[in-house]
Amino acid sequence: AQTVTQSQPEMSVQEAETVTLSCTYDTSESNYYLFWYKQPPSRQMILVIRQEAYKQQNATENRFSVNFQKAAKSFSLKISDSQLGDTAMYFCAFGHSGAGSYQLTFGKGTKLSVIP
Amino acid sequence: DTGVSQDPRHKITKRGQNVTFRCDPISEHNRLYWYRQTLGQGPEFLTYFQNEAQLEKSRLLSDRFSAERPKGSFSTLEIQRTEQGDSAMYLCASSLLAVGDPEFFGPGTRLTVL
Repeated sequence: AQTVTQSQPEMSVQEAETVTLSCTYDTSESNYYLFWYKQPPSRQMILVIRQEAYKQQNATENRFSVNFQKAAKSFSLKISDSQLGDTAMYFCAFGHSGAGSYQLTFGKGTKLSVIP
Repeated sequence: DTGVSQDPRHKITKRGQNVTFRCDPISEHNRLYWYRQTLGQGPEFLTYFQNEAQLEKSRLLSDRFSAERPKGSFSTLEIQRTEQGDSAMYLCASSLLAVGDPEFFGPGTRLTVL
């Protein structure tokens, strides 16, 4: 079974600064997908960024980028120029297809607070 | 708005009652997923559909839970004989068919069992 670990339950960052959220996962699979989702307070889950395991190049989406280290099974999220709207729970998720099924396994999340 | 919608947004019920939730996915999405999220936790997979076929169910989905997706469009999740431990946010998500296509989530239905 796959597991996803987010070791930082809470983090804070000053507005305009950079913050990195950690995620590690455990799997024996070689082909899979990794995601970061954002869940603002009382609002729905939004996809932040997606990484395909077979791609060595780290994914980027505007101010969001990942550091994907496949051998270390690490998938951290870097948020540059933090904005107040980045305040949210951030979930790392692992997606794998096997035996005709597909599902996401989520970590417990990191609560990020952006301080003015 | 063409995102995933869920109804109702909040449901309060008494222990032992049955409840049913509805999810309307993004129209062109073939896959539909149900998750449960409790306070301070990430979403936990319950079940998913590819078109009208229910392809996988988690062991979390006891026999009191049933899900359907008639005609491959909207889906319903029913919980029979609710228990206090069923109190949670129930999230629905949908995606296109290819493996690794990202899932788009609805706002969730918050269930409180008294």
